[in-house]
Amino acid sequence: ETGVTQSPTHLIKTRGQQVTLRCSSQSGHNTVSWYQQALGQGPQFIFQYYREEENGRGNFPPRFSGLQFPNYSSELNVNALELDDSALYLCASSLNTREKLFFGSGTQLSVL
Amino acid sequence: SQQGEEDPQALSIQEGENATMNCSYKTSINNLQWYRQNSGRGLVHLILIRSNEREKHSGRLRVTLDTSKKSSSLLITASRAADTASYFCAVMDSSYKLIFGSGTRLLVRP
Repeated sequence: ETGVTQSPTHLIKTRGQQVTLRCSSQSGHNTVSWYQQALGQGPQFIFQYYREEENGRGNFPPRFSGLQFPNYSSELNVNALELDDSALYLCASSLNTREKLFFGSGTQLSVL
Repeated sequence: SQQGEEDPQALSIQEGENATMNCSYKTSINNLQWYRQNSGRGLVHLILIRSNEREKHSGRLRVTLDTSKKSSSLLITASRAADTASYFCAVMDSSYKLIFGSGTRLLVRP
């Protein structure tokens, strides 16, 4: 158990809809990173938040957005869902931006 | 795009044998990390090796780093059926983003 919790665990949406995924960081961690993992692939970096500010972004369009709250929990929002957005979305927290990541169990998103 | 690339993509060995996985990367790094993933769920951190280190051990795991060749290897000794999982290397670049490779799927046969 890493202490990082994600909700929901599974989600089914239709194309064009919007979705919000949530992540609760491990206690004492001020950095949250979000990853997208397609079946059989490695996790792809979406973005990172450090002390409520975006601290780096991967190659994802602006319809992927996020927030980090004062308690360091985080949200990932995806607008105008596309079929290719179907994937496992992983949240990870860390003590700071340079240390190992502690992952949650992920949210499996299916877009129909 | 992927930064670390693992080799082989898949590996099948007998219980008790050693498993070696390799990772190559392209740019300068702050550190390199190895993770394990069971059944497509959350990843578990195994070991972190910094750019000024050459080798690290943790239990049955041994990681080496060669920054001149931009490569790393993970050795699991005396493998067990419970080691069956996907293993990923991840490179922390100069902007402190952790970028994962595509992974090695390890099967340890009882």
